[in-house]
Amino acid sequence: DTAVSQTPKYLVTQMGNDKSIKCEQNLGHDTMYWYKQDSKKFLKIMFSYNNKELIINETVPNRFSPKSPDKAHLNLHINSLELGDSAVYFCASSLASGRPADEQFFGPGTRLTVL
Amino acid sequence: AQSVTQPDIHITVSEGASLELRCNYSYGATPYLFWYVQSPGQGLQLLLKYFSGDTLVQGIKGFEAEFKRSQSSFNLRKPSVHWSDAAEYFCAVGARGNTGKLIFGQGTTLQVKP
Repeated sequence: DTAVSQTPKYLVTQMGNDKSIKCEQNLGHDTMYWYKQDSKKFLKIMFSYNNKELIINETVPNRFSPKSPDKAHLNLHINSLELGDSAVYFCASSLASGRPADEQFFGPGTRLTVL
Repeated sequence: AQSVTQPDIHITVSEGASLELRCNYSYGATPYLFWYVQSPGQGLQLLLKYFSGDTLVQGIKGFEAEFKRSQSSFNLRKPSVHWSDAAEYFCAVGARGNTGKLIFGQGTTLQVKP
């Protein structure tokens, strides 16, 4: 199936641990994004990459580090997890940056719970 | 600063009734506007978008939205709601700078009564 996929779907971990979330799209898109959805369902962009180049880097702690090994993958690594990092993280992709009318296709989300 | 406001946090309608979800935006130029739907436990799916032309746009699943520049609004409508429409609805505006950044409203939860 053509889609945006994320792994894992659920992630439960202790404070202070380091974890990664992986995202892959097979839509042939150039641009990928990470969004954070908090407990009130508010969605906020964190990062975007266009063909492996960082385009958007919102004000997020530097404990969060995105990595794009190729344009089909955008992984999110989080160091020293804190309680406030608990949220649902969505990956998305769109055809290309510089095209603000393009639809963004979202993955199913990764629910991160920090204990 | 650009922003999106969805005044209704939660709306309940009866199945078969009409629906209107409100969205107001703050933007200095002609905006790119989107409505996304999030079903429980799922990612977001685009319902429709506006970026130019006809101010009444048709989307998937029988939804439509009307762009009103004078009111800075982009309200979503459906003439007859189905139980499967129960979900979270997000209005979004494309930020300046052509980066693809979306600024979302806080969402409206739609509950459908049988």
